[in-house]
Amino acid sequence: GENVEQHPSTLSVQEGDSAVIKCTYSDSASNYFPWYKQELGKRPQLIIDIRSNVGEKKDQRIAVTLNKTAKHFSLHITETQPEDSAVYFCAAENNNDMRFGAGTRLTVKP
Amino acid sequence: GAVVSQHPSWVICKSGTSVKIECRSLDFQATTMFWYRQFPKQSLMLMATSNEGSKATYEQGVEKDKFLINHASLTLSTLTVTSAHPEDSSFYICSVGETQYFGPGTRLLVL
Repeated sequence: GENVEQHPSTLSVQEGDSAVIKCTYSDSASNYFPWYKQELGKRPQLIIDIRSNVGEKKDQRIAVTLNKTAKHFSLHITETQPEDSAVYFCAAENNNDMRFGAGTRLTVKP
Repeated sequence: GAVVSQHPSWVICKSGTSVKIECRSLDFQATTMFWYRQFPKQSLMLMATSNEGSKATYEQGVEKDKFLINHASLTLSTLTVTSAHPEDSSFYICSVGETQYFGPGTRLLVL
């Protein structure tokens, strides 16, 4: 089955700096890679996603890159703000089977 | 995206009782819903895939007789934690759709 690894587990940045979270996956058949943001005690919210036929996708301050050959994908947040502080999960999906990374706790210091 | 509700949002029960959690897809007909469990400071762990009109598919290590899933309609799936014990205390979240629109979650505390 799919195995998703996520790094780092914690990340602290200064407001305005960029943050990068990386994930690797094991199942080459996985074709959908979403990223979720989860604030304390709340549900995960989809923030950006990418499919296997695309290498990069951007939405304002958030971007995701995918390297299918290396089986890794990354989340990039630029100009971070304190409200970006949360736990971020990557995931990889193949045929309705979605597996999550362990999560990254991002803290943006004002 | 899909709007997903869960009920109850939190529940406290005594050990040995059963707890039913409902997951409703309010604007999306879902033939498949997913149930996750999340322990504090940990990732989402898929428990089972709920299939409308048929049996749920359970992940390895998840007891189907303990976590009963019923997906009677395209908008409702229920998870019943039978004979709950303190180690079942967790955050239970359902989701629908390929992009996994999550419900608000149910926090279960078993005393």
